[in-house]
Amino acid sequence: DSGVTQTPKHLITATGQRVTLRCSPRSGDLSVYWYQQSLDQGLQFLIHYYNGEERAKGNILERFSAQQFPDLHSELNLSSLELGDSALYFCASSVAHTGELFFGEGSRLTVL
Amino acid sequence: AQSVTQLGSHVSVSEGALVLLRCNYSSSVPPYLFWYVQYPNQGLQLLLKYTSAATLVKGINGFEAEFKKSETSFHLTKPSAHMSDAAEYFCAVSRNFGNEKLTFGTGTRLTIIP
Repeated sequence: DSGVTQTPKHLITATGQRVTLRCSPRSGDLSVYWYQQSLDQGLQFLIHYYNGEERAKGNILERFSAQQFPDLHSELNLSSLELGDSALYFCASSVAHTGELFFGEGSRLTVL
Repeated sequence: AQSVTQLGSHVSVSEGALVLLRCNYSSSVPPYLFWYVQYPNQGLQLLLKYTSAATLVKGINGFEAEFKKSETSFHLTKPSAHMSDAAEYFCAVSRNFGNEKLTFGTGTRLTIIP
């Protein structure tokens, strides 16, 4: 158990819909990272938040957005969903300056 | 920009045999390199990391990796494979230690043959 909690574990929805994925980092970790894992793209960095502020953006679509709340949990919002958004979405947290990410078990999104 | 290339998307070894998973990096600055493992239906877990302190890095579960600047490589090895090693392994690179925005390779699925 990494200490990072992601909900829901599985989500099935239709094209055009909007979903929210939630992540609770390990206690004390200020950084939250979101990654997308798909068969064709592999593991892609989406976005990084540190103590509520956006620190870095990767290959995140404009239809996707994220935020980190004062209690440090984070949400990834995916809207106008397309078939190609079907993937495993991972959240990871870290203590700064250790080089180590702690990953949750992921949220598997299926868009039909 | 940094990147890593993992040679071989699938590797099969017999139980008790040497495990060798290959990773080559491309970086304009000295990189920080990592190996992560992903067991089925789980998130990724750090195996080991290179942060320039020592070229031979030992990790968990008997794995180790050697940083070779001349070959731009960071291959992962284990002397004797165990059935429990069956998983997907990812090499990753970061430009700055402490900046945990990692760029991952495409992964190598390791199968252990009984």
